Amino acid sequence: DAGVIQSPRHEVTEMGQEVTLRCKPISGHNSLFWYRQTMMRGLELLIYFNNNVPIDDSGMPEDRFSAKMPNASFSTLKIQPSEPRDSAVYFCASSSSDRERQPQHFGDGTRLSIL
Amino acid sequence: ILNVEQSPQSLHVQEGDSTNFTCSFPSSNFYALHWYRWETAKSPEALFVMTLNGDEKKKGRISATLNTKEGYSYLYIKGSQPEDSATYLCALGGQAGTALIFGKGTTLSVSS
Repeated sequence: DAGVIQSPRHEVTEMGQEVTLRCKPISGHNSLFWYRQTMMRGLELLIYFNNNVPIDDSGMPEDRFSAKMPNASFSTLKIQPSEPRDSAVYFCASSSSDRERQPQHFGDGTRLSIL
Repeated sequence: ILNVEQSPQSLHVQEGDSTNFTCSFPSSNFYALHWYRWETAKSPEALFVMTLNGDEKKKGRISATLNTKEGYSYLYIKGSQPEDSATYLCALGGQAGTALIFGKGTTLSVSS
Protein backbone atom coordinates (compact mmCIF):
# COMPACT_ATOMS: atom_id res chain seq x y z
CA ASP A 1 0.00 0.00 0.00
CA ALA A 2 1.31 3.44 -0.86
CA GLY A 3 1.78 5.62 2.16
CA VAL A 4 1.73 9.39 2.33
CA ILE A 5 3.94 10.70 -0.45
CA GLN A 6 5.77 13.98 -0.12
CA SER A 7 7.94 15.81 -2.62
CA PRO A 8 10.59 16.95 -2.85
CA ARG A 9 12.53 15.07 -0.17
CA HIS A 10 15.10 17.85 0.02
CA GLU A 11 14.99 21.45 -1.10
CA VAL A 12 17.79 23.97 -0.91
CA THR A 13 17.08 27.45 -2.16
CA GLU A 14 18.04 31.05 -1.60
CA MET A 15 16.04 33.38 0.56
CA GLY A 16 13.37 35.26 -1.25
CA GLN A 17 12.53 32.38 -3.54
CA GLU A 18 9.13 30.71 -3.63
CA VAL A 19 9.04 27.19 -2.24
CA THR A 20 6.26 24.67 -2.90
CA LEU A 21 5.97 21.44 -0.95
CA ARG A 22 3.64 18.72 -2.15
CA CYS A 23 1.73 15.94 -0.47
CA LYS A 24 -0.38 13.03 -1.62
CA PRO A 25 -2.35 11.49 1.26
CA ILE A 26 -3.23 7.84 1.59
CA SER A 27 -6.15 6.98 -0.67
CA GLY A 28 -9.39 7.07 1.28
CA HIS A 29 -8.07 9.35 4.01
CA ASN A 30 -10.02 12.57 4.23
CA SER A 31 -7.97 14.44 6.84
CA LEU A 32 -4.62 15.95 5.92
CA PHE A 33 -2.18 17.66 8.26
CA TRP A 34 0.92 19.77 7.66
CA TYR A 35 3.50 19.79 10.49
CA ARG A 36 6.88 21.44 10.85
CA GLN A 37 9.72 20.01 12.91
CA THR A 38 12.36 22.26 14.40
CA MET A 39 14.90 21.75 17.15
CA MET A 40 13.37 24.48 19.27
CA ARG A 41 9.69 23.68 19.01
CA GLY A 42 9.55 20.02 18.06
CA LEU A 43 6.73 18.88 15.80
CA GLU A 44 4.15 21.63 15.47
CA LEU A 45 0.94 21.76 13.49
CA LEU A 46 0.75 24.33 10.71
CA ILE A 47 -2.66 23.63 9.17
CA TYR A 48 -5.06 20.78 8.61
CA PHE A 49 -7.87 19.95 6.21
CA ASN A 50 -10.96 17.77 6.47
CA ASN A 51 -12.60 16.82 3.19
CA ASN A 52 -10.37 19.35 1.40
CA VAL A 53 -11.56 22.23 3.61
CA PRO A 54 -9.05 24.03 5.86
CA ILE A 55 -10.17 23.60 9.46
CA ASP A 56 -7.42 25.19 11.53
CA ASP A 57 -4.63 27.33 10.13
CA SER A 58 -3.71 29.01 13.40
CA GLY A 59 -0.29 27.36 13.29
CA MET A 60 0.71 28.99 10.02
CA PRO A 61 3.56 31.31 11.02
CA GLU A 62 2.67 34.30 8.89
CA ASP A 63 1.19 35.42 5.61
CA ARG A 64 4.18 34.13 3.71
CA PHE A 65 2.81 30.64 4.27
CA SER A 66 -0.21 29.31 2.41
CA ALA A 67 -1.68 25.86 1.89
CA LYS A 68 -4.23 24.46 -0.51
CA MET A 69 -5.99 21.18 -1.04
CA PRO A 70 -7.64 21.34 -4.45
CA ASN A 71 -8.77 17.72 -4.33
CA ALA A 72 -8.76 14.69 -2.06
CA SER A 73 -5.44 13.39 -3.35
CA PHE A 74 -3.22 16.46 -3.36
CA SER A 75 -2.13 19.31 -1.14
CA THR A 76 0.52 22.00 -1.37
CA LEU A 77 2.27 24.14 1.21
CA LYS A 78 3.78 27.29 -0.26
CA ILE A 79 6.23 29.75 1.24
CA GLN A 80 6.67 33.02 -0.58
CA PRO A 81 9.07 34.68 -0.04
CA SER A 82 11.16 32.17 1.86
CA GLU A 83 13.48 33.16 4.73
CA PRO A 84 16.37 31.32 6.43
CA ARG A 85 14.25 30.83 9.58
CA ASP A 86 11.85 28.70 7.53
CA SER A 87 14.52 26.00 7.34
CA ALA A 88 13.05 22.88 8.90
CA VAL A 89 11.62 19.46 8.08
CA TYR A 90 8.02 19.71 6.88
CA PHE A 91 5.81 16.66 7.33
CA CYS A 92 2.47 15.82 5.83
CA ALA A 93 0.20 13.28 7.52
CA SER A 94 -3.21 11.85 6.74
CA SER A 95 -5.94 9.97 8.55
CA SER A 96 -9.59 9.11 8.24
CA SER A 97 -12.05 11.29 10.11
CA ASP A 98 -14.60 8.49 9.76
CA ARG A 99 -12.80 6.19 12.17
CA GLU A 100 -12.14 7.12 15.77
CA ARG A 101 -8.86 6.71 17.60
CA GLN A 102 -6.77 5.90 14.59
CA PRO A 103 -3.17 7.02 14.18
CA GLN A 104 -2.08 9.58 11.66
CA HIS A 105 0.19 8.29 8.90
CA PHE A 106 3.19 10.43 8.06
CA GLY A 107 5.12 11.01 4.89
CA ASP A 108 8.92 10.97 4.85
CA GLY A 109 9.05 14.76 5.09
CA THR A 110 10.68 17.51 3.07
CA ARG A 111 13.94 18.85 4.46
CA LEU A 112 13.99 22.52 3.55
CA SER A 113 17.09 24.68 3.72
CA ILE A 114 16.85 28.38 2.95
CA LEU A 115 20.24 29.99 2.41
CA ILE B 1 -2.97 25.80 25.50
CA LEU B 2 -2.44 22.07 25.94
CA ASN B 3 1.07 21.07 26.90
CA VAL B 4 2.52 17.61 26.36
CA GLU B 5 5.78 17.03 28.24
CA GLN B 6 8.18 14.16 27.71
CA SER B 7 11.09 13.14 29.86
CA PRO B 8 13.92 12.59 29.72
CA GLN B 9 14.83 14.57 26.62
CA SER B 10 17.47 12.00 25.72
CA LEU B 11 18.70 8.70 27.03
CA HIS B 12 21.69 6.49 26.35
CA VAL B 13 21.61 2.82 27.36
CA GLN B 14 23.59 -0.32 26.70
CA GLU B 15 22.27 -3.18 24.61
CA GLY B 16 20.18 -5.46 26.79
CA ASP B 17 19.16 -2.76 29.26
CA SER B 18 15.49 -2.15 29.83
CA THR B 19 14.35 1.44 29.85
CA ASN B 20 11.29 3.61 30.18
CA PHE B 21 10.26 7.17 29.59
CA THR B 22 7.36 9.39 30.50
CA CYS B 23 4.73 11.44 28.73
CA SER B 24 2.72 13.92 30.83
CA PHE B 25 -0.41 15.69 29.69
CA PRO B 26 -3.40 17.60 31.08
CA SER B 27 -5.84 15.07 32.52
CA SER B 28 -8.98 17.10 31.83
CA ASN B 29 -10.99 16.38 28.67
CA PHE B 30 -8.76 13.46 27.74
CA TYR B 31 -9.59 11.65 24.51
CA ALA B 32 -6.60 9.65 23.25
CA LEU B 33 -2.84 9.37 23.64
CA HIS B 34 -0.65 8.37 20.71
CA TRP B 35 2.89 7.00 20.75
CA TYR B 36 5.13 7.22 17.70
CA ARG B 37 8.60 5.92 16.95
CA TRP B 38 10.72 8.18 14.75
CA GLU B 39 13.98 7.01 13.28
CA THR B 40 16.38 9.51 11.79
CA ALA B 41 15.64 10.33 8.13
CA LYS B 42 12.40 8.38 8.24
CA SER B 43 8.78 9.26 8.96
CA PRO B 44 7.20 8.88 12.41
CA GLU B 45 5.69 5.42 12.75
CA ALA B 46 2.61 4.85 14.89
CA LEU B 47 3.14 2.49 17.84
CA PHE B 48 0.03 2.76 19.98
CA VAL B 49 -3.22 4.66 20.37
CA MET B 50 -4.43 4.52 23.97
CA THR B 51 -7.77 5.69 25.22
CA LEU B 52 -8.86 4.09 28.50
CA ASN B 53 -7.44 4.70 31.95
CA GLY B 54 -5.35 1.67 32.88
CA ASP B 55 -4.78 0.67 29.24
CA GLU B 56 -1.70 -1.41 28.61
CA LYS B 57 -0.53 -2.09 25.07
CA LYS B 58 2.36 -4.17 23.82
CA LYS B 59 4.21 -4.54 20.53
CA GLY B 60 7.13 -6.93 20.73
CA ARG B 61 9.54 -5.64 23.37
CA ILE B 62 7.81 -2.27 23.58
CA SER B 63 4.86 -1.66 25.87
CA ALA B 64 2.95 1.35 27.17
CA THR B 65 0.65 2.16 30.04
CA LEU B 66 -1.83 4.98 30.48
CA ASN B 67 -3.12 6.86 33.52
CA THR B 68 -5.68 9.42 32.42
CA LYS B 69 -6.62 10.47 35.95
CA GLU B 70 -3.15 11.74 36.77
CA GLY B 71 -2.20 12.56 33.19
CA TYR B 72 0.74 10.36 32.29
CA SER B 73 1.79 7.48 30.08
CA TYR B 74 4.91 5.35 30.31
CA LEU B 75 6.68 3.67 27.41
CA TYR B 76 8.83 0.67 28.28
CA ILE B 77 11.43 -1.08 26.17
CA LYS B 78 12.60 -4.45 27.42
CA GLY B 79 16.09 -5.61 26.49
CA SER B 80 16.98 -2.60 24.32
CA GLN B 81 18.64 -3.30 20.98
CA PRO B 82 20.62 -0.88 18.75
CA GLU B 83 17.71 -0.88 16.30
CA ASP B 84 15.53 0.64 19.03
CA SER B 85 17.55 3.84 18.72
CA ALA B 86 15.05 6.50 17.70
CA THR B 87 13.05 9.41 19.01
CA TYR B 88 9.85 8.36 20.76
CA LEU B 89 7.03 10.88 20.50
CA CYS B 90 3.79 11.02 22.38
CA ALA B 91 0.84 13.11 21.26
CA LEU B 92 -2.57 14.04 22.58
CA GLY B 93 -5.34 13.28 20.16
CA GLY B 94 -8.91 14.50 19.89
CA GLN B 95 -11.83 13.28 17.89
CA ALA B 96 -11.19 11.76 14.48
CA GLY B 97 -10.17 14.39 11.99
CA THR B 98 -8.49 16.68 14.51
CA ALA B 99 -4.82 17.45 14.90
CA LEU B 100 -2.40 15.86 17.35
CA ILE B 101 -0.48 17.85 19.92
CA PHE B 102 3.01 16.43 20.16
CA GLY B 103 5.57 16.40 22.92
CA LYS B 104 9.17 17.09 21.96
CA GLY B 105 10.13 13.46 22.23
CA THR B 106 12.65 11.31 24.04
CA THR B 107 15.67 10.38 21.96
CA LEU B 108 16.97 6.93 22.80
CA SER B 109 20.43 5.75 21.83
CA VAL B 110 21.32 2.10 22.37
CA SER B 111 24.98 1.07 22.23
CA SER B 112 26.07 -2.45 21.37
